[in-house]
Amino acid sequence: KAGVTQTPRYLIKTRGQQVTLSCSPISGHRSVSWYQQTPGQGLQFLFEYFSETQRNKGNFPGRFSGRQFSNSRSEMNVSTLELGDSALYLCASSLGRGGSSYNEQFFGPGTRLTVL
Amino acid sequence: QQQVKQSPQSLIVQKGGISIINCAYENTAFDYFPWYQQFPGKGPALLIAIRPDVSEKKEGRFTISFNKSAKQFSLHIMDSQPGDSATYFCAAQWGNTGKLIFGQGTTLQVKP
Repeated sequence: KAGVTQTPRYLIKTRGQQVTLSCSPISGHRSVSWYQQTPGQGLQFLFEYFSETQRNKGNFPGRFSGRQFSNSRSEMNVSTLELGDSALYLCASSLGRGGSSYNEQFFGPGTRLTVL
Repeated sequence: QQQVKQSPQSLIVQKGGISIINCAYENTAFDYFPWYQQFPGKGPALLIAIRPDVSEKKEGRFTISFNKSAKQFSLHIMDSQPGDSATYFCAAQWGNTGKLIFGQGTTLQVKP
Protein backbone atom coordinates (compact mmCIF):
# COMPACT_ATOMS: atom_id res chain seq x y z
CA LYS A 1 0.00 0.00 0.00
CA ALA A 2 1.37 3.39 -0.94
CA GLY A 3 1.94 5.83 1.89
CA VAL A 4 0.84 9.41 2.25
CA THR A 5 2.25 11.63 -0.47
CA GLN A 6 2.69 15.38 -0.36
CA THR A 7 3.52 17.79 -3.14
CA PRO A 8 5.56 19.80 -3.61
CA ARG A 9 8.32 18.75 -1.24
CA TYR A 10 9.93 22.19 -1.18
CA LEU A 11 8.61 25.67 -1.80
CA ILE A 12 10.12 29.12 -1.64
CA LYS A 13 7.75 32.08 -1.59
CA THR A 14 7.94 35.75 -0.70
CA ARG A 15 5.91 37.63 1.86
CA GLY A 16 2.40 38.47 0.75
CA GLN A 17 2.13 35.61 -1.72
CA GLN A 18 -0.17 32.65 -1.32
CA VAL A 19 0.60 28.96 -1.52
CA THR A 20 -1.29 25.70 -2.02
CA LEU A 21 -0.02 22.39 -0.71
CA SER A 22 -1.39 19.01 -1.70
CA CYS A 23 -1.80 15.73 0.17
CA SER A 24 -2.86 12.31 -1.09
CA PRO A 25 -3.87 9.96 1.73
CA ILE A 26 -3.39 6.22 2.00
CA SER A 27 -5.95 4.38 -0.09
CA GLY A 28 -9.11 3.82 1.93
CA HIS A 29 -8.37 6.56 4.45
CA ARG A 30 -11.06 9.21 4.64
CA SER A 31 -9.56 11.56 7.21
CA VAL A 32 -6.74 13.99 6.50
CA SER A 33 -5.18 16.16 9.20
CA TRP A 34 -2.68 18.95 8.65
CA TYR A 35 0.10 19.99 11.03
CA GLN A 36 2.70 22.73 11.12
CA GLN A 37 6.15 21.84 12.48
CA THR A 38 8.61 24.52 13.56
CA PRO A 39 11.66 24.35 15.85
CA GLY A 40 10.09 26.80 18.28
CA GLN A 41 6.47 25.61 18.44
CA GLY A 42 6.91 21.94 17.60
CA LEU A 43 4.06 20.08 15.93
CA GLN A 44 0.80 21.98 15.92
CA PHE A 45 -2.57 20.86 14.57
CA LEU A 46 -4.06 23.00 11.82
CA PHE A 47 -7.27 21.22 10.81
CA GLU A 48 -8.84 17.90 9.94
CA TYR A 49 -11.07 16.96 7.05
CA PHE A 50 -13.32 13.94 6.88
CA SER A 51 -15.63 13.15 3.96
CA GLU A 52 -15.02 16.58 2.42
CA THR A 53 -16.01 18.41 5.63
CA GLN A 54 -13.78 20.21 8.08
CA ARG A 55 -14.34 18.27 11.27
CA ASN A 56 -11.83 20.02 13.56
CA LYS A 57 -9.78 23.17 13.53
CA GLY A 58 -6.70 24.32 15.45
CA ASN A 59 -5.77 27.80 16.63
CA PHE A 60 -4.45 29.30 13.42
CA PRO A 61 -5.57 32.50 11.69
CA GLY A 62 -8.04 32.45 8.84
CA ARG A 63 -5.19 32.82 6.34
CA PHE A 64 -4.81 29.07 6.73
CA SER A 65 -7.54 27.13 4.98
CA GLY A 66 -8.06 23.75 3.44
CA ARG A 67 -10.40 21.51 1.59
CA GLN A 68 -10.92 17.87 0.79
CA PHE A 69 -12.09 16.33 -2.42
CA SER A 70 -14.38 13.37 -3.00
CA ASN A 71 -11.35 11.07 -3.47
CA SER A 72 -10.11 12.14 0.00
CA ARG A 73 -7.19 14.10 -1.41
CA SER A 74 -6.71 17.35 0.46
CA GLU A 75 -5.22 20.75 -0.20
CA MET A 76 -4.10 23.39 2.22
CA ASN A 77 -3.85 27.06 1.33
CA VAL A 78 -2.01 29.85 3.07
CA SER A 79 -2.74 33.37 1.90
CA THR A 80 -0.76 36.57 2.51
CA LEU A 81 2.33 34.69 3.60
CA GLU A 82 4.34 35.95 6.55
CA LEU A 83 7.95 35.17 7.48
CA GLY A 84 6.67 33.18 10.47
CA ASP A 85 4.84 30.79 8.16
CA SER A 86 8.15 29.19 7.23
CA ALA A 87 7.78 25.63 8.46
CA LEU A 88 7.43 21.99 7.56
CA TYR A 89 3.79 21.30 6.75
CA LEU A 90 2.76 17.74 7.36
CA CYS A 91 -0.37 15.92 6.49
CA ALA A 92 -1.52 12.69 8.07
CA SER A 93 -4.22 10.30 7.02
CA SER A 94 -6.34 7.89 9.02
CA LEU A 95 -9.44 5.78 8.55
CA GLY A 96 -11.35 8.40 10.51
CA ARG A 97 -14.12 6.09 11.59
CA GLY A 98 -14.81 2.48 12.45
CA GLY A 99 -12.61 -0.31 13.80
CA SER A 100 -10.08 -0.31 16.60
CA SER A 101 -7.44 1.56 14.61
CA TYR A 102 -9.63 4.32 13.23
CA ASN A 103 -7.50 7.11 14.64
CA GLU A 104 -4.02 5.84 13.78
CA GLN A 105 -2.50 8.70 11.83
CA PHE A 106 0.18 8.10 9.21
CA PHE A 107 2.25 11.06 8.13
CA GLY A 108 3.60 12.09 4.78
CA PRO A 109 7.13 13.43 4.28
CA GLY A 110 5.98 17.04 4.50
CA THR A 111 6.33 20.18 2.41
CA ARG A 112 9.14 22.48 3.47
CA LEU A 113 7.90 26.07 2.98
CA THR A 114 10.35 28.93 3.14
CA VAL A 115 9.00 32.48 3.13
CA LEU A 116 11.50 35.20 2.21
CA GLN B 1 -5.35 21.52 29.83
CA GLN B 2 -4.59 20.45 26.31
CA GLN B 3 -0.84 20.31 26.80
CA VAL B 4 1.33 17.22 26.73
CA LYS B 5 4.62 17.71 28.53
CA GLN B 6 7.57 15.60 27.41
CA SER B 7 10.95 15.05 29.03
CA PRO B 8 13.86 14.97 28.68
CA GLN B 9 14.50 17.31 25.77
CA SER B 10 17.57 15.31 24.80
CA LEU B 11 18.97 11.95 25.76
CA ILE B 12 22.28 10.18 25.17
CA VAL B 13 22.41 6.42 25.68
CA GLN B 14 25.07 3.81 25.05
CA LYS B 15 24.39 1.05 22.56
CA GLY B 16 22.56 -1.77 24.28
CA GLY B 17 21.19 0.48 27.00
CA ILE B 18 17.59 1.41 27.81
CA SER B 19 16.18 4.73 26.61
CA ILE B 20 13.29 6.14 28.63
CA ILE B 21 11.17 9.12 27.58
CA ASN B 22 8.34 10.43 29.73
CA CYS B 23 5.15 12.34 29.01
CA ALA B 24 2.46 13.83 31.22
CA TYR B 25 -0.99 15.16 30.36
CA GLU B 26 -3.83 16.99 32.10
CA ASN B 27 -6.90 16.35 30.01
CA THR B 28 -8.58 13.16 31.25
CA ALA B 29 -10.66 13.04 28.08
CA PHE B 30 -7.62 11.86 26.12
CA ASP B 31 -8.16 8.24 25.12
CA TYR B 32 -5.39 7.49 22.66
CA PHE B 33 -1.66 7.92 23.23
CA PRO B 34 0.74 7.27 20.31
CA TRP B 35 4.50 7.64 20.03
CA TYR B 36 6.15 8.82 16.86
CA GLN B 37 9.73 8.59 15.62
CA GLN B 38 11.09 11.21 13.26
CA PHE B 39 14.35 11.17 11.31
CA PRO B 40 15.77 14.37 9.78
CA GLY B 41 14.01 15.26 6.55
CA LYS B 42 11.21 12.74 7.12
CA GLY B 43 7.69 12.86 8.47
CA PRO B 44 6.91 11.32 11.88
CA ALA B 45 6.40 7.56 11.78
CA LEU B 46 3.95 5.85 14.12
CA LEU B 47 5.89 3.57 16.48
CA ILE B 48 3.43 2.28 19.04
CA ALA B 49 0.23 3.45 20.68
CA ILE B 50 -1.82 2.68 23.78
CA ARG B 51 -5.31 3.32 25.13
CA PRO B 52 -5.99 4.05 28.83
CA ASP B 53 -7.60 0.68 29.56
CA VAL B 54 -4.17 -0.98 29.26
CA SER B 55 -1.17 -0.33 31.55
CA GLU B 56 1.52 -1.61 29.24
CA LYS B 57 2.00 -2.44 25.58
CA LYS B 58 5.07 -3.99 24.02
CA GLU B 59 6.08 -4.22 20.39
CA GLY B 60 9.54 -5.61 19.82
CA ARG B 61 12.08 -3.44 21.64
CA PHE B 62 9.52 -0.68 22.25
CA THR B 63 7.27 -0.61 25.32
CA ILE B 64 4.71 1.94 26.47
CA SER B 65 3.98 2.12 30.18
CA PHE B 66 0.78 3.93 31.09
CA ASN B 67 -0.23 5.26 34.52
CA LYS B 68 -3.79 6.52 34.32
CA SER B 69 -4.00 7.79 37.90
CA ALA B 70 -0.80 9.81 37.53
CA LYS B 71 -1.72 10.90 33.99
CA GLN B 72 1.68 9.86 32.74
CA PHE B 73 3.00 7.55 30.08
CA SER B 74 6.46 6.62 28.95
CA LEU B 75 8.34 4.99 26.11
CA HIS B 76 11.05 2.46 26.86
CA ILE B 77 13.46 1.42 24.12
CA MET B 78 15.29 -1.73 25.12
CA ASP B 79 18.68 -2.67 23.71
CA SER B 80 19.01 0.77 22.09
CA GLN B 81 20.85 0.84 18.76
CA PRO B 82 22.57 3.65 16.85
CA GLY B 83 19.80 3.33 14.25
CA ASP B 84 17.32 4.42 16.95
CA SER B 85 18.94 7.87 17.00
CA ALA B 86 16.05 10.16 16.09
CA THR B 87 13.53 12.57 17.59
CA TYR B 88 10.67 10.96 19.48
CA PHE B 89 7.30 12.59 20.08
CA CYS B 90 4.55 11.51 22.40
CA ALA B 91 1.04 12.62 21.57
CA ALA B 92 -2.51 12.41 22.84
CA GLN B 93 -5.93 12.51 21.22
CA TRP B 94 -9.52 12.29 22.36
CA GLY B 95 -12.34 10.67 20.52
CA ASN B 96 -12.73 11.00 16.81
CA THR B 97 -11.16 14.44 16.56
CA GLY B 98 -8.25 13.70 14.23
CA LYS B 99 -6.34 16.15 16.37
CA LEU B 100 -3.11 14.97 17.93
CA ILE B 101 -1.61 17.08 20.72
CA PHE B 102 2.15 16.56 20.61
CA GLY B 103 4.83 16.79 23.24
CA GLN B 104 7.85 18.96 22.46
CA GLY B 105 9.99 16.02 21.37
CA THR B 106 13.09 14.23 22.65
CA THR B 107 16.25 13.97 20.60
CA LEU B 108 17.81 10.59 21.26
CA GLN B 109 21.42 9.82 20.45
CA VAL B 110 22.61 6.24 20.83
CA LYS B 111 26.39 6.03 20.98
CA PRO B 112 28.08 2.96 19.47
